[in-house]
Amino acid sequence: NAGVTQTPKFQVLKTGQSMTLQCAQDMNHNSMYWYRQDPGMGLRLIYYSASEGTTDKGEVPNGYNVSRLNKREFSLRLESAAPSQTSVYFCASSLRDGSYEQYFGPGTRLTVT
Amino acid sequence: GENVEQHPSTLSVQEGDSAVIKCTYSDSASNYFPWYKQELGKGPQLIIDIRSNVGEKKDQRIAVTLNKTAKHFSLHITETQPEDSAVYFCAASTGSQGNLIFGKGTKLSVKP
Repeated sequence: NAGVTQTPKFQVLKTGQSMTLQCAQDMNHNSMYWYRQDPGMGLRLIYYSASEGTTDKGEVPNGYNVSRLNKREFSLRLESAAPSQTSVYFCASSLRDGSYEQYFGPGTRLTVT
Repeated sequence: GENVEQHPSTLSVQEGDSAVIKCTYSDSASNYFPWYKQELGKGPQLIIDIRSNVGEKKDQRIAVTLNKTAKHFSLHITETQPEDSAVYFCAASTGSQGNLIFGKGTKLSVKP
């Protein structure tokens, strides 16, 4: 039982390049989330998927798109990376949306030059 | 929308002492308050949580208290150990879509 896994662990992009961050969970959770973590800012929600087939914007969605591929997988795409998107990205999952425990993956450290 | 303030931003204690981290929230509809511990280079890990129908919850050396009237909640760690050194985050959720709003974190250092 791996929990929440994320790939890649590290990535360096040039401004304007695109990439997709992958996330998968094996806990049979319905809800999945993408956060970014910046120094002194805590964790901020980018997008979430309350259940398979649905996605919604969080606090900071601009510059990102998401796909809930199936119940296990939730990807985050940067179409045209900008230096302001340099951050650590965390995927999380929970049994359901609402007041349920969220379990986090190990993170992807992204640098945009 | 919800806003969560967390204090202090850094906290240094001697091994064996207690540590207290405090958070306040703005939305009276919030009903779920988890605490996460994040070690260097890792993702946040849930260590304890409390719901609005409970005033206090304990798990070995860790306890959380909630004051709904004052809209604040606190994490208490007793008999601190060096392995407690990490960044701790509080969060609050109204339950709607389960969106957690996080505090900005407290870096706890436990000196041996």
